[in-house]
Amino acid sequence: ETGVTQSPTHLIKTRGQQVTLRCSSQSGHNTVSWYQQALGQGPQFIFQYYREEENGRGNFPPRFSGLQFPNYSSELNVNALELDDSALYLCASRGQLSTSGANVLTFGAGSRLTVL
Amino acid sequence: KQEVTQIPAALSVPEGENLVLNCSFTDSAIYNLQWFRQDPGKGLTSLLLIQSSQREQTSGRLNASLDKSSGRSTLYIAASQPGDSATYLCAVSHQTGANNLFFGTGTRLTVIP
Repeated sequence: ETGVTQSPTHLIKTRGQQVTLRCSSQSGHNTVSWYQQALGQGPQFIFQYYREEENGRGNFPPRFSGLQFPNYSSELNVNALELDDSALYLCASRGQLSTSGANVLTFGAGSRLTVL
Repeated sequence: KQEVTQIPAALSVPEGENLVLNCSFTDSAIYNLQWFRQDPGKGLTSLLLIQSSQREQTSGRLNASLDKSSGRSTLYIAASQPGDSATYLCAVSHQTGANNLFFGTGTRLTVIP
């Protein structure tokens, strides 16, 4: 039980459509990040939210956007879906740094998106 | 731009064998390095985290080492078991509090009973 839950687990969309993926973090985890993992690849950082504001973005176009809510949940929205958007989308959250300074992220199980 | 490489891409070993997975990174100015395990179609499970000031971390049958100056890390798995079969990913972070990890493409391990 990681404490980070994602929904839906699987979904199929067609090119040009829009999708919203959801993530629920552990209580107290005020930073959340989203990753895209294409088949056979490592995860790639999309963006990070802290206290409901985006404060870091990877090499992804603006049609990838997000929201973070006060109840530790967040969303990833992708507009104008393309075939290459087919991937596993992972949400990860982290609370306050521990006294040891460890920076351990907790990942959810992911949402697998297929774009046809 | 940080690039993380993992060798080999895939590895098959008989049960009970000790094995080493390799990870290299191009920018040595890292804050920490983390090893993850991923089962097919699943999320990531953190195995070990090494701070840049540390040389190694151990958890059970797992031992991870870090040579920051040469941009290398290894994950040693002792007495492998079929349940160790998974993809192992390494990732580096460049700053404290940052969630933007740079991942390698992983090593797919199969332990044959």
